Amino acid sequence: GAVVSQHPSRVICKSGTSVKIECRSLDFQATTMFWYRQFPKQSLMLMATSNEGSKATYEQGVEKDKFLINHASLTLSTLTVTSAHPEDSSFYICSALSGGGDLSYNEQFFGPGTRLTVL
Amino acid sequence: KNQVEQSPQSLIILEGKNCTLQCNYTVSPFSNLRWYKQDTGRGPVSLTIMTFSENTKSNGRYTATLDADTKQSSLHITASQLSDSASYICVVSGNTDKLIFGTGTRLQVFP
Repeated sequence: GAVVSQHPSRVICKSGTSVKIECRSLDFQATTMFWYRQFPKQSLMLMATSNEGSKATYEQGVEKDKFLINHASLTLSTLTVTSAHPEDSSFYICSALSGGGDLSYNEQFFGPGTRLTVL
Repeated sequence: KNQVEQSPQSLIILEGKNCTLQCNYTVSPFSNLRWYKQDTGRGPVSLTIMTFSENTKSNGRYTATLDADTKQSSLHITASQLSDSASYICVVSGNTDKLIFGTGTRLQVFP
């Protein structure tokens, strides 16, 4: 399957600082990427849909000014957590959409995740 | 409301044994159903993807079934290994690319 990478894999920061997380599709182009958040023992929760060259679409309840998303190229999307607070500590996972080709659906490949801890 | 429910919530089995995980969904319209394996602290990895016309699909020791009429799916793991310890997530897709996630089954395989 296609490979999606995330950087960094884990980050610890002080409250009030901003943290940038990168998501890259390594061997395919992705016009659409998704950002998820996962709390312990819970499933993934979609935060936003990132579209190359246009503004991201945020899910209800997700603050767009706090979670800045930039999808500047077909292989890179970034999520910046601004003015991070301890409640933002979570596991952030991105995914990239690969065109279905002969398939009737688009496959979604997930990154390995980024563990954010805000002190 | 589009929902995906999984059972059991957690499961403990001995190495070498088989097990079956269940998934019920109420997503409509329905496009496809996916099973993912998620190791602790890692992103989900796809095991199988089935459209409404497929009722079974295998990937090594993993076999998924789908009954689109009753809106049920199962994931059967044969001859379990210690490395099978993970969360297994049932995910359903409707008429958009957004995925609807189940809460997962946490499987622990003991020697």
